[in-house]
This record gives sequence, C-alpha cells and structure tokens, in this order.
Amino acid sequence: GQQLNQSPQSMFIQEGEDVSMNCTSSSIFNTWLWYKQDPGEGPVLLIALYKAGELTSNGRLTAQFGITRKDSFLNISASIPSDVGIYFCAGSTGSARQLTFGSGTQLTVLP
Amino acid sequence: NAGVTQTPKFQVLKTGQSMTLQCAQDMNHEYMSWYRQDPGMGLRLIHYSVGAGITDQGEVPNGYNVSRSTTEDFPLRLLSAAPSQTSVYFCASSSDTWNTGELFFGEGSRLTVL
Repeated sequence: GQQLNQSPQSMFIQEGEDVSMNCTSSSIFNTWLWYKQDPGEGPVLLIALYKAGELTSNGRLTAQFGITRKDSFLNISASIPSDVGIYFCAGSTGSARQLTFGSGTQLTVLP
Repeated sequence: NAGVTQTPKFQVLKTGQSMTLQCAQDMNHEYMSWYRQDPGMGLRLIHYSVGAGITDQGEVPNGYNVSRSTTEDFPLRLLSAAPSQTSVYFCASSSDTWNTGELFFGEGSRLTVL
C-alpha cells in the first residue's frame, strides 16, 4: 500500500514556540488532511486541503498542500499547553476508503 | 449530539476467545469504518462499509469480521483473538461514500489479548 513518512516522530517544545511538522509520500494524493488526537480520545480533523499549492489556516494552525501533491506541512504558532497530543497527516486518492495515515508526531509542550 | 460511540472502552481477552466491539453513530452517515492504531504505525483500515448491507476489506482484515444491518451500527467481531490483535481500535464515520477523508472518530476501544 501507499506509505506516508511523517516527521518528526516526537517534539518537545516550550510554551509560546512555533512548531512545524511534515509528511512526504512517493505517491500523489488528491487530498491532504491533518488530524489531532488528544490523550485517550479519537482523532479530530484540524484542516483539510484539496488543491495543490493550497495554504489553509485554522486559528494558530496553518497547513499547505505541496505543489508536487506528494507532501504537506502543518505549522502551529505560539504553542499552548492544550496543543499537546499526536498529530497525524493523512492522504487520500479519492475517498475515505483510500485514506492513508502517517505514523504521527507526538507533541509535548513544556511550561 | 453523541457522534460516534464505541463500547467497550477497555477489554482483556485470552487467546482464542471471541468478542464484538460495538460502534454506533447518530449522524446518519453512510460510510463507516474500523481502524486499528499501533505504536509507530499510524491508523490502519480493517474493514469499511458504504451503506447498510455493504461491507468490504481494508488494509488489515484478517481475523476480523463485520456486518452492517443498519445505517447506525457497525460492529467488529474478533473470531479467535490472538496477541497480535492487541491494539486500540477506532470506529469512524463520514457523511458520504465518496468523502475525501473527513472522518469522525469514536473515542476508541483498547483491547489486550493475553
């Protein structure tokens, strides 16, 4: 199946710092999505990207759909303690059944 | 609005036992799916359904069965549990068959097989 390489695997940052994480693939995707999983919960959709080159923001979060359609990044500005969790990228070639998830980035925000 | 509800939240089984993980959604979503989450491996699709009476296999279907008799419910059955099935299981739904990946997840069911 398709593989997504998500990095970094984990991050420890100070509160107030900016964060950047990314996903790359050898395959082309039509959609890139970013989910966040809080401890003990299921993933929740943060941002969905549908067009190559698209840059989308959701509050302090900004994500981009790479121009080659093989990568995406997520930035979080001015991190706060509630940003703690696992962030997953996911790529789709068309429908939910064709969704491939990255292995996740574990984010820890230190006070 | 309950969204996607999974039961049980925790379960311990012995090798060879069978059990069913329940999933129900109240959003009238046609698409429902089951994922397993293992450390360092992200979420992998086990089975999915695009509507009542229709199911299909995902990436890792072996050892699991599903059925979809109603729009609301999508149970996952483990026929003979194995230690390799120790994982966290998530049920997810979506508003239409051709949705591009915007899934609503349940809170998860943590299964340990001894």
